Formats: sequence, structure tokens, C-alpha cells
Amino acid sequence: DAGVIQSPRHEVTEMGQEVTLRCKPISGHNSLFWYRQTMMRGLELLIYFNNNVPIDDSGMPEDRFSAKMPNASFSTLKIQPSEPRDSAVYFCASSLDRPLGQYFGPGTRLTVT
Amino acid sequence: DAKTTQPNSMESNEEEPVHLPCNHSTISGTDYIHWYRQLPSQGPEYVIHGLTSNVNNRMASLAIAEDRKSSTLILHRATLRDAAVYYCILFPYGQNFVFGPGTRLSVLP
Repeated sequence: DAGVIQSPRHEVTEMGQEVTLRCKPISGHNSLFWYRQTMMRGLELLIYFNNNVPIDDSGMPEDRFSAKMPNASFSTLKIQPSEPRDSAVYFCASSLDRPLGQYFGPGTRLTVT
Repeated sequence: DAKTTQPNSMESNEEEPVHLPCNHSTISGTDYIHWYRQLPSQGPEYVIHGLTSNVNNRMASLAIAEDRKSSTLILHRATLRDAAVYYCILFPYGQNFVFGPGTRLSVLP
């Protein structure tokens, strides 16, 4: 199995620019999660999809953040405009079903200068 | 959110068993108990999960107290590669994960 695939692995951008992070979940998994990790706040759940439908986006910090899942094999997390405080590692995870184990991707390290 | 309490850090010697405790006194009947670990510079890795009964897999064992207010992750023979932060998480039905600070496990050669 390829596991959860995320791209890019590293992203450096200037404040105000749009950033798009991509995720390919494990084939057959119907739940997808986006997380953010910083030293200060630890791991935070941003949004959760089930069968491509956003179920809970209460963790999305503000309107600058948006996420989509156009099909079962692809999801994006977009930040527009980006700010330095968005600098973090963003993880995507998928699971076969909601209460089961989640499998995380390698993460995207985002640096906003 | 359902909360868990774990020691901040633990040490173990290589090739010895490790028992990582987790308290979750406010657990409800539909909460699953999940364990994940995060190695340095890597994403979290699923370890094991259970609901009421003890569980075993190739990575570890999960022992759940009869009243479900605590659980223990058991690594049967610690290796240097097991040095990581271990997270115990309750997965309430209808809600989502909350990752606490976890337990940082050091394995001494």
C-alpha cells in the first residue's frame, strides 16, 4: 500500500500568497481528516470528511482556510491569504471508517514568511 | 471533549517491556480508546484501539480496565525505534479526536 500521500512535502511562501496542500487518502478509506501541528498548540483537527462530504469543520481557524474533497481519492486544504502564524506541519489522515484507526500522511511543512 | 491523562515522560531499557498508562475517568460507553505514536520528524502512527476488551496486534497490546476508566499500552520488548511520543485518545462517537500532549518515551540502550 502506498499509504496516505501528501504534497508538497515542504512549502515556503510569502505572506498574502495562496497556499494549496494536497492529499490522496488510502484507497477504500471513506473518512479523511486534516490536522495542523505546531509546538505551541500541538495536534489540532481542522476538518473531517466522510464519503467526500465535510462533516465537521469547527476546527478550521478562520475563513482564510477552506477544504474540499471532490472525489474519494483527493482532497485539498487551501489558505488564502496566508499569514506567518499559519506556519505549521499539516497532516492528512484517512480511515476505513470513523471509529477505526487513522493512517497519517508524512505531512506538509508550511513556512509563511 | 472527553479527556485523557498521561505521564509527561517515561524511560525504558531496550528489550524490556514498557507499560504506558492512560487515565480517562470521564469515558462514556461509546468512546473508543485509541493509541497513536509520533516518532521524531514524522507523522502520527496508528498503534492500536479498543472499546471494552483487551486487544493485541503486531505492534502492541492494549489492556483496558474493567471499569474502562484507565488503559495501558504494552510494548512487549522496547527497541530504540520505539522512542516516540505516545498519545492516548478517546474517540467519542459523533465527535472527533483531541490530541493531548502525550507521553514521551525514551528507550535506553
